[in-house]
Amino acid sequence: TQLLEQSPQFLSIQEGENLTVYCNSSSVFSSLQWYRQEPGEGPVLLVTVVTGGEVKKLKRLTFQFGDARKDSSLHITAAQPGDTGLYLCAGEGAFSNTGKLIFGQGTTLQVKP
Amino acid sequence: KAGVTQTPRYLIKTRGQQVTLSCSPISGHRSVSWYQQTPGQGLQFLFEYFSETQRNKGNFPGRFSGRQFSNSRSEMNVSTLELGDSALYLCASSLGGPGTGELFFGEGSRLTVL
Repeated sequence: TQLLEQSPQFLSIQEGENLTVYCNSSSVFSSLQWYRQEPGEGPVLLVTVVTGGEVKKLKRLTFQFGDARKDSSLHITAAQPGDTGLYLCAGEGAFSNTGKLIFGQGTTLQVKP
Repeated sequence: KAGVTQTPRYLIKTRGQQVTLSCSPISGHRSVSWYQQTPGQGLQFLFEYFSETQRNKGNFPGRFSGRQFSNSRSEMNVSTLELGDSALYLCASSLGGPGTGELFFGEGSRLTVL
């Protein structure tokens, strides 16, 4: 069974601080996606990483896919209250060709002004 | 373009009843996936439909079923409801080509079982 472990589960920080969220597994994934979910809404895709070692930047957010394609991280620089939400990593199995993603438990981020 | 639409948004049922949830995908998307989200288990994959065929299924009991129509709209049904079925049920659509690709989620249907 493929599992994705996210850490930390909860994070409460002050505006302007930096943070990193980790997503780890013992399984290899063909791709890994990061979503953000706000209360009352469905998750919204932030980024997809496909190649081992890949780094993608989205404004103040930096996403990295591990060399072995088993782990990923999300780093936010100078967090702002608008970054508050539930961050989810989701992996697509190495041999999957269907719409099945394995989701991590999520990291609830609260950024205080 | 219009996003993924799920109905109803909220519903309350009692144990033993059955429920049907509906999902209209983004126009042109042929794949519809269903996920269950609970505080304890997070998002768990229920099943995925592509061109009216179930292409993949998660580890849920047979009380959970679904179908997809020729216009790509999908429904999921839960029979003999249990308290533990209380959850946010999310539908996601995608183009459905090789690989999962980007999933576009609806706002979900929040089911409460009393």
